[in-house]
Amino acid sequence: KAGVTQTPRYLIKTRGQQVTLSCSPISGHRSVSWYQQTPGQGLQFLFEYFSETQRNKGNFPGRFSGRQFSNSRSEMNVSTLELGDSALYLCASSPGTEKGTQYFGPGTRLLVL
Amino acid sequence: QKEVEQNSGPLSVPEGAIASLNCTYSDRGSQSFFWYRQYSGKSPELIMSIYSNGDKEDGRFTAQLNKASQYVSLLIRDSQPSDSATYLCAVNMLGNTPLVFGKGTRLSVIA
Repeated sequence: KAGVTQTPRYLIKTRGQQVTLSCSPISGHRSVSWYQQTPGQGLQFLFEYFSETQRNKGNFPGRFSGRQFSNSRSEMNVSTLELGDSALYLCASSPGTEKGTQYFGPGTRLLVL
Repeated sequence: QKEVEQNSGPLSVPEGAIASLNCTYSDRGSQSFFWYRQYSGKSPELIMSIYSNGDKEDGRFTAQLNKASQYVSLLIRDSQPSDSATYLCAVNMLGNTPLVFGKGTRLSVIA
């Protein structure tokens, strides 16, 4: 079974731009969670989608948004990028029945200049 | 605020020794507990889950849970240099809340 895929893997943007990241979960998984990981803050939860509905949202500003499509693929968007948004963005998929059992994608490394 | 605390390390152990990684959590009603391993430059991978008090063994790994003390630990027996990584504790707390991760403990196994 193919794992979680994320595109793009690396991205360089400048302040004020926006970015869209994509995640394809493991086939059959209905839950997709997004995390931001930085050296200082660790793994911080952004949001979780289940069957196209946002099930949970972390403490991030409204510039961070996401959505999930009917095929469970998910996208997250960050508008008006700031330097502090530079991070590794991880997507994790789960069957949905046990939210602790998450399978992470390789991540998208975003650098904001 | 629901929190998961881990010692950031680094925890250094010699090859062949037992590495002991600890985690405490704030929500007494937490239901399930997970250990993830993250190699440098890679994404986290699930290595253990535990749901009830006591020990759960899987190969060289043993997870220990004490809900009364709100404490979960991971023991790695016969530690190998390939075990050198950051270990993340994650807790599934009560209610419609997301999985909460600790900041991780960096383990270094010295050959």
